[in-house]
Amino acid sequence: DTGVSQNPRHKITKRGQNVTFRCDPISEHNRLYWYRQTLGQGPEFLTYFQNEAQLEKSRLLSDRFSAERPKGSFSTLEIQRTEQGDSAMYLCASSPRDRGRVGNTEAFFGQGTRLTVV
Amino acid sequence: GDSVTQMEGPVTLSEEAFLTINCTYTATGYPSLFWYVQYPGEGLQLLLKATKADDKGSNKGFEATYRKETTSFHLEKGSVQVSDSAVYFCALSPSSGGGGNKLTFGTGTQLKVEL
Repeated sequence: DTGVSQNPRHKITKRGQNVTFRCDPISEHNRLYWYRQTLGQGPEFLTYFQNEAQLEKSRLLSDRFSAERPKGSFSTLEIQRTEQGDSAMYLCASSPRDRGRVGNTEAFFGQGTRLTVV
Repeated sequence: GDSVTQMEGPVTLSEEAFLTINCTYTATGYPSLFWYVQYPGEGLQLLLKATKADDKGSNKGFEATYRKETTSFHLEKGSVQVSDSAVYFCALSPSSGGGGNKLTFGTGTQLKVEL
């Protein structure tokens, strides 16, 4: 399987605990994105990496959230001191470099990690 | 900032009916426009895209035309099948800026096709 892989698929945690999610992008893709999707809503952008550099973070990404992409390969998203409002599906996507025009290449999504904070 | 508005669902159709899901956007410049589909239990998949005004994206019988004058990208299919039942998301990617291919999504429209 050469698609985007996310682990775990499901995570249930108690409020206040820390959680970490992993994303393995398509190997030749240099861009990696994290999104959050709540029930009945579209995905919302959280952060973006080009290789190992984190180039943009959304205002949705509070201080309790941190993302890394060491060596420009897999990425992790950590949520510290989880709150019930963090319950959502966390999606990872990757894409190759733009070919010509900015913003026209396809993003490939993983199946997501569903987080439930109880 | 950028935004995408799409018609609310759920949309329920009989097999072989004509489908339209409306999508309008607000963005500066000339964004790229996308339709993604999410089948039950699966991840988001690109359905089609258009990168400039008057472009038509098409795939699996679905079509959408980039209309700059009306800032719209409506999804159409002439004859839907039960297997088209899914949630459809309209999205845009800005034409400039440092966010790579950062996508702004609409809220999604659930389509249910019945026999």
